[in-house]
Amino acid sequence: QQQVKQSPQSLIVQKGGISIINCAYENTAFDYFPWYQQFPGKGPALLIAIRPDVSEKKEGRFTISFNKSAKQFSLHIMDSQPGDSATYFCAARKDPGGYQKVTFGTGTKLQVIP
Amino acid sequence: DARVTQTPRHKVTEMGQEVTMRCQPILGHNTVFWYRQTMMQGLELLAYFRNRAPLDDSGMPKDRFSAEMPDATLATLKIQPSEPRDSAVYFCASGFQTGGRNTIYFGEGSWLTVV
Repeated sequence: QQQVKQSPQSLIVQKGGISIINCAYENTAFDYFPWYQQFPGKGPALLIAIRPDVSEKKEGRFTISFNKSAKQFSLHIMDSQPGDSATYFCAARKDPGGYQKVTFGTGTKLQVIP
Repeated sequence: DARVTQTPRHKVTEMGQEVTMRCQPILGHNTVFWYRQTMMQGLELLAYFRNRAPLDDSGMPKDRFSAEMPDATLATLKIQPSEPRDSAVYFCASGFQTGGRNTIYFGEGSWLTVV
């Protein structure tokens, strides 16, 4: 059972455009929603994260929008650059009794073309 | 620049052989995770340790996989016997859990091919 659904599977965006990746979850016990960026041959690295009591978080060109009632969150990359080409994973964490388990989405491969 | 170190980076082995992957977590981190990444399944959690104690290995095939932390500087993931379906990238990650915060940092992975 996939607890975090991510779309699209792949995305091609022109340089300077906006990249949008969407995720949805079912479990209301999730309390933390990070996004990871993975370059080929490397491990995932934390990009930006949000808690469910906030509707939006912005760091530079990266913004997370969070809709708690719809149980959806999305990553927006403004002014997309070829260097942003990577695979992006959304994730959700729950912490029942101190055990912090992170569940990942299936990933979106982003290609930014010049 | 602190980072999670994994060895080997690449391993090709024959079916039936034992494979041991090692991980050195970031000094001071108290949580260690093993993840497996494949095209079909994405990132799957195999095992989770906190303060060296295994808290969750429900995602790990028990008959052939085992994970241990002999000390705070070493985590191991062992597959015995290995099978072609175990071919994947295995990531170790570490973090420091305090209160509600625990950012995890991934190593660069061990790329395993079982032929």
